[in-house]
Amino acid sequence: QVQLVESGGGVVQPGRSLRLSCAASGFTFKTSTLHWVRQAPGKGLEWVASISYDGTNKYYADSVKGRFTISRDNSKSTLYVQLDRLRSEDTAVFYCARAAYMDVWGKGTTVIVSS
Amino acid sequence: DIQMTQSPSSLSASVGDRVTITCRASQDISHYLAWFQQKPGKAPKSLVYAASTLQSGVPSRFSGSGSGTDFTLTISSLQPEDFATYYCQQYNAYPYTFGQGTNLEIK
Repeated sequence: QVQLVESGGGVVQPGRSLRLSCAASGFTFKTSTLHWVRQAPGKGLEWVASISYDGTNKYYADSVKGRFTISRDNSKSTLYVQLDRLRSEDTAVFYCARAAYMDVWGKGTTVIVSS
Repeated sequence: DIQMTQSPSSLSASVGDRVTITCRASQDISHYLAWFQQKPGKAPKSLVYAASTLQSGVPSRFSGSGSGTDFTLTISSLQPEDFATYYCQQYNAYPYTFGQGTNLEIK
């Protein structure tokens, strides 16, 4: 079945880095636009970044531009996001999602930024 | 950036009620509007895309309508499993944006 599984979350100190992964299965990964969306504790959904099917086009929310980098490996059917210079306000559950209208979501991975 | 405004922010209703949630875009987004349902501790679930197309497997009591700047999600007869938070999202242009959410509670 169509599935997205995030991993890589954890507790990290402010200013440090983390890389999240999203492993896909059950669909043609290499033709799909993909996204990262996050949700801070008790808050709503916030779009973070998107990447085109071939990795050529990347888009970022202003809140993460210059600190986060989205990428993909179509040979491994895996989406990534590199989180650098993390701040306390980046604490959130990070979800990956497929397609422009986000028809499939992973279960999320939790990032806690705390000293 | 396109701002998405949902109303109401919270809503109390009873099983069997008809409920409508509204989402307004700050500029024309054509039909590039999606609706999601989220339950506590769970990932969002896609309900509607292209403003009015129901995702496969979503019960027919859910319906979406609208175009341009004004959109609605309607649940024709609330069921116990429908009590959740609902979000709209525009995918007409980057940055993609979500509404602030509507918390649907049991009366």
